[in-house]
Formats: sequence, structure tokens, C-alpha cells
Amino acid sequence: EVQMLESGGGLVQPGGSLRLSCAVFGVTFSSISMTWVRQAPGKGLEWVSDITDGGRTYYADSVKARFTISRDDSKNTLYLQMDSLRAEDTAVYYCAKLFRAYVPFFDSWGQGTLVTVSS
Amino acid sequence: EIVLTQSPATLSLSPGETATLSCRASQSVSNYLVWYQQKPGQAPRLLIFDASRRATAIPPRFSGSGSGTDFTLTISSLEPEDSAVYYCQQRSNWPPLTFGGGTKVEI
Repeated sequence: EVQMLESGGGLVQPGGSLRLSCAVFGVTFSSISMTWVRQAPGKGLEWVSDITDGGRTYYADSVKARFTISRDDSKNTLYLQMDSLRAEDTAVYYCAKLFRAYVPFFDSWGQGTLVTVSS
Repeated sequence: EIVLTQSPATLSLSPGETATLSCRASQSVSNYLVWYQQKPGQAPRLLIFDASRRATAIPPRFSGSGSGTDFTLTISSLEPEDSAVYYCQQRSNWPPLTFGGGTKVEI
């Protein structure tokens, strides 16, 4: 069974930075593609970014040039570096596994980590 | 960007009834439409992919149909545990991937 554990969320001031981590268990991490999806309080789901098993990356326009997705296959860990944070980035951030590379729907999800951007 | 519109916003039904949820796309997504279930305080769970294929361990009372721009998630013989928000997602034309706004089902 695939399991994911996010960490790194917290309170940060506008303009600040935060790095989220997602540790993945129960699967050969180097062979899977991963995503970050966020959910603002009381709102719906919003796709943030994908990274393929080969390291190709994709971003939503709302985070492009501010967020960077990456992976360390030696640590079975996915990352999301978030810079220049804004109040509208406040959300629960979920990592999830793509069904297959370039088949972007998500069959395993972490429990989420809350990011709050506020002064 | 493909916009997905879900209706109704809220559905209130009794146990044993059938729920019919709609997802309409702003342009054709072929059959590349996915449904998730999200219960309060939990992560989403994959229910249906490619419009009508049930994910692993999803009971047959959950079924999906449709193609092009109009899709339906049907939940038959509703149980109290089916109370949740249901989201559709398209994977036809990305990036960006897009989700619908959700339908809340109250049992």
C-alpha cells in the first residue's frame, strides 16, 4: 500500500518562503510521477504542480516562477519550495501520486499539511 | 483552460435513494474525466477514472457515465457514509489540470 506523509507547513508572513516535504512509502518512488494539489479553507481543489519520474515539471499559472517542485529519489521524497508567498496561497497542501506518468489523475493521497500566509 | 461546472451545489437525500451528480466541461474532454470523494477532514479519494472505470475497492453502487462535455456520477442505494463532497477533474487538456467546484451530498 502506497503511503505519503507531508510535512513543513506552518505560519509564514507574506513575501516569505516555506519548503514542503512529502515522504513516500510502499512503492518504488523513482518510477512514479507526483503532484501537489491545494485546498484553501472551505474551498475546492486546485492543482499546483506535477513532476514526472523523469523530472519534467509542470506548474499552474498562479504559482509559476514562485514555486519549485523537485524530488530526491534517494530519499523517496517530494518537495515544494514556495517563495514570495501571498495570502491567497493559504491552503492545505496535498501530495499525491499520478496513476501513471503523463496520465494525471491521482490514486494515492497524503493527509495534507496546512500553510497559512499571514502577518 | 477547461472549466468544469458541477451541479447541484448541494444534494440532500435519504438512505437508500439514488444520487445523480453532474459535471459539465467548457469544451470536450473526451472520456478523460475523473471523480473523487472527499469527506470532512480527509484527503480526496479516487472513485472513477476515464468517465466510467471504478478505482480499486470502490463498490459498484458508484458508477460514472458520459463523454465529451457532459458527465454523471451516480450513487445508488445511498448509505450515511456516502456523505461527502464529490469533485470532478479533467485530464484531457493540461496543464493546467482543472477540478470542478464540487457537489456536497448530505444523507
